Amino acid sequence: AQKITQTQPGMFVQEKEAVTLDCTYDTSDPSYGLFWYKQPSSGEMIFLIYQGSYDQQNATEGRYSLNFQKARKSANLVISASQLGDSAMYFCAFLMDSNYQLIWGAGTKLIIKP
Amino acid sequence: DTEVTQTPKHLVMGMTNKKSLKCEQHMGHRAMYWYKQKAKKPPELMFVYSYEKLSINESVPSRFSPECPNSSLLNLHLHALQPEDSALYLCASSQDPRRTSGRTSTDTQYFGPGTRLTVL
Repeated sequence: AQKITQTQPGMFVQEKEAVTLDCTYDTSDPSYGLFWYKQPSSGEMIFLIYQGSYDQQNATEGRYSLNFQKARKSANLVISASQLGDSAMYFCAFLMDSNYQLIWGAGTKLIIKP
Repeated sequence: DTEVTQTPKHLVMGMTNKKSLKCEQHMGHRAMYWYKQKAKKPPELMFVYSYEKLSINESVPSRFSPECPNSSLLNLHLHALQPEDSALYLCASSQDPRRTSGRTSTDTQYFGPGTRLTVL
C-alpha cells in the first residue's frame, strides 16, 4: 500500500538557521506528485511547493526548496533562513497517477526560537 | 488568484441543530473537496466533487450531506451531529486530476481557511 512518512514529530530551530523537514514515500507508480503544506495555528492549510516525479530539477519557491531523491523515495523540504513566522505544522502529501486522493504524512511541528 | 473562501470561521451547534458550511472558489477548478481535521492530525478526506458530481464519499455518516450547486460553490449540510464531529472542516479545490494522465503542478489542491466546528 502507498504511504508517506514524516519521521520528525517536532523540531526546534534557532531563527535564521536553515531547516530540513524529512519526508519519505512508498509507491510503485512511476508518475506521482509530491506536495508540502504549511498549517499555522490559525488552521489554514497553505500550499508551499510541488515536485513531480518526472521533474528533472528540484523545485524551489523563494525560501523553500525540495531535496528530491527519487531513488531513495525522499522529498525533504528545506527552509532557508528560518523566520519566527515559519513556526507551524508542516505536512508532506503525495498524489499518485492511479488514485487522485492525496495521501498525507503525519506532519512535523516546527517551532522557530528567537 | 488562489483563494478559496469558507464561511463561517467558527460554528457552535447543538446535537439537534441543522447548519451548513459554505465554500467558494473562483479559480475555474472543477474538483472540490471536503476534509475533516482533528487536532494534530492530517486532514481526512470526506467528499470529492468532480464537475459538480459527487465522485468520492469516504464512508461519511449521513448526518453530513454535501451539495455542489455550481462549479464555484460547495456546501456541507450538518444535521444531528455528535460531539466527536467537533473538528476543523477544510474545503479545497483543484483542477480535476482525472482529466489527464500524469501528475503536474495543476493537481495542487488549494485550501480555504477552514471552519472550526464545536458540537455541544
